[in-house]
Amino acid sequence: SAVISQKPSRDICQRGTSLTIQCQVDSQVTMMFWYRQQPGQSLTLIATANQGSEATYESGFVIDKFPISRPNLTFSTLTVSNMSPEDSSIYLCSAWDRASYGYTFGSGTRLTVV
Amino acid sequence: GESVGLHLPTLSVQEGDNSIINCAYSNSASDYFIWYKQESGKGPQFIIDIRSNMDKRQGQRVTVLLNKTVKHLSLQIAATQPGDSAVYFCAEGIGTASKLTFGTGTRLQVTL
Repeated sequence: SAVISQKPSRDICQRGTSLTIQCQVDSQVTMMFWYRQQPGQSLTLIATANQGSEATYESGFVIDKFPISRPNLTFSTLTVSNMSPEDSSIYLCSAWDRASYGYTFGSGTRLTVV
Repeated sequence: GESVGLHLPTLSVQEGDNSIINCAYSNSASDYFIWYKQESGKGPQFIIDIRSNMDKRQGQRVTVLLNKTVKHLSLQIAATQPGDSAVYFCAEGIGTASKLTFGTGTRLQVTL
């Protein structure tokens, strides 16, 4: 199955700054997804990212706060903009892997905003 | 390691016993269900899936049961081992390659 390399694995950022998280897949995938996992909680979908089109955001998430890029079939980035302590969370990317007919996940980025 | 599942419901089982983890899903239109295991500092790891045209599916030491009438999913782990200690999530989707909605999760603690 596809393997996703996600970086950074963790970061501590100052409030008001932005952080870009990168996900690289070792094979071409059509659908990629970005999730947020707040401490002690489940995964919440932020947006779906398809190559060549604008990302589709879920209720409560907006493009100005979480801009996403999907320049090709193996790569995507999520930026957390103008961060506040409430953005402290684990951010995960995922992809639908047609070859294995399943979803694969990156290892996550643990973000702490101070 | 990272803290996952600090505030989630916890199921404690003894090593060698069977574990049953339950999940209530929300969307009656969902037709694809997956169980994931998440260890601290890692992303969710696929365990087993089931489609709505089935009510039971077995894997190695794991069985998933689906009851569409009451929108309930369960994961059974046979002969639970210390390595099974983790947080377990169910997820639901519609069709193929669609977005997933995750359940609240259960922390499984295996005692010796």
